[in-house]
Amino acid sequence: QDELVESGGGVVQPGRSLRLSCAASGFTFSDFAMHWVRQAPGSGLEWVAFISYDGSRQQYSDAVKGRFTISRDTAKNTLYLQMNSLTLEDTAVYFCAKEGKEWSGGNYYYPLTYWGQGALVTVSS
Amino acid sequence: QSVLTQPPSVSGAPGQRVAISCTGGSSNIGAGSDVHWYQHFPGTAPKLLIYGNNNRPSGVPDRFSASRSGTSASLAITGLQAEDETDYYCQSYDSDLNGWVFGGGTKLTV
Repeated sequence: QDELVESGGGVVQPGRSLRLSCAASGFTFSDFAMHWVRQAPGSGLEWVAFISYDGSRQQYSDAVKGRFTISRDTAKNTLYLQMNSLTLEDTAVYFCAKEGKEWSGGNYYYPLTYWGQGALVTVSS
Repeated sequence: QSVLTQPPSVSGAPGQRVAISCTGGSSNIGAGSDVHWYQHFPGTAPKLLIYGNNNRPSGVPDRFSASRSGTSASLAITGLQAEDETDYYCQSYDSDLNGWVFGGGTKLTV
């Protein structure tokens, strides 16, 4: 049974930093790519960052590029999101999500097959 | 402004059928990027509902189905039930943005 548990959320002042963690269990963490997705209050889901299964490739949304860093520690089965230079617009619930590799009809698909419950980050002075 | 456009809300009576559209462009759905659909009850973890062309993960009832044409995709829900009332999101990959994109979300009222 897949399980993803986020931690590290809280209240932080603008310009400061925060690191989120996502503890994974129930699957072979090193076999799967992972994502961070966020949801600001009253808004929809917004993709934030991606990291490949082996950590060799990262991608970021334009909104966080240059400020956020996604990483993973296979030995600890943990995904991280280091958030620097936080702004009010970064206030959101942050979800980690596992990217699956699903085979159907002769094709592979890569949806976000399992999500954590989310961690609330509030940026406020 | 989301890259993928969904109606903010749809509604239907119990037992009826509703469809939720997801309109993209030539750099995402129109480019052949896969479209996935998620169901999200506020305050909980989003759940994968449909992946790829029209594939349901184990446990998702066949009342849920999806289709795509050109630069758009659609989620259909038949035999509406009160428990279906929540938010639904489409998701794809955008080659211009080099990243994953979500629709703005649609609130279904039953």
